[in-house]
Amino acid sequence: AQKITQTQPGMFVQEKEAVTLDCTYDTSDPSYGLFWYKQPSSGEMIFLIYQGSYDQQNATEGRYSLNFQKARKSANLVISASQLGDSAMYFCAMREGLTGAGSYQLTFGKGTKLSVIP
Amino acid sequence: NAGVMQNPRHLVRRRGQEARLRCSPMKGHSHVYWYRQLPEEGLKFMVYLQKENIIDESGMPKERFSAEFPKEGPSILRIQQVVRGDSAAYFCASSLDLIIAKNIQYFGAGTRLSVL
Repeated sequence: AQKITQTQPGMFVQEKEAVTLDCTYDTSDPSYGLFWYKQPSSGEMIFLIYQGSYDQQNATEGRYSLNFQKARKSANLVISASQLGDSAMYFCAMREGLTGAGSYQLTFGKGTKLSVIP
Repeated sequence: NAGVMQNPRHLVRRRGQEARLRCSPMKGHSHVYWYRQLPEEGLKFMVYLQKENIIDESGMPKERFSAEFPKEGPSILRIQQVVRGDSAAYFCASSLDLIIAKNIQYFGAGTRLSVL
């Protein structure tokens, strides 16, 4: 079974509008972290935002916020006021456990390609 | 504050040659990770190293691939006798502290390996 599922291969959004990128995850570990990374066409991976499984509030970083619904096992990324520079691939990733084997590995989804339209 | 540095950015090899990919972690980071990204895919974990130690290489192919992180100098991912299927982007990441829950992994720009 996929541990991270991103169901939207591609998304379009009008400049200055908000957009939500979906991510669902699968884990039986009560302790985990969820990450979003941005990969522009130049190829580098840029960390955007983190949500811990025990965090009480949804994470926010500037125009990025994470809509964390633990019971549904979803961690959707919300980008407000989209800009042309937001056009990129976006990857959701998970790290399971705080310690022990495999707890440092990030497991990535297949990504969503976001295109911002002027 | 320099980020994770990877070189070369692009590497072309013929089948059977060796590929050496280098990664210098962020200043102060002692944990290094290597991931591989095939076209249209997310990144896949290969290996996790600390200085002079391989902690987990469960994601690395058993043959032809090796990694090191010496006491001095960058981490090296080495692929011997490359085949066309090795063509991919190889990313290195580093982190500051494993124990804290957040443990952000910061990535380099990757090395794009093309095998002819």
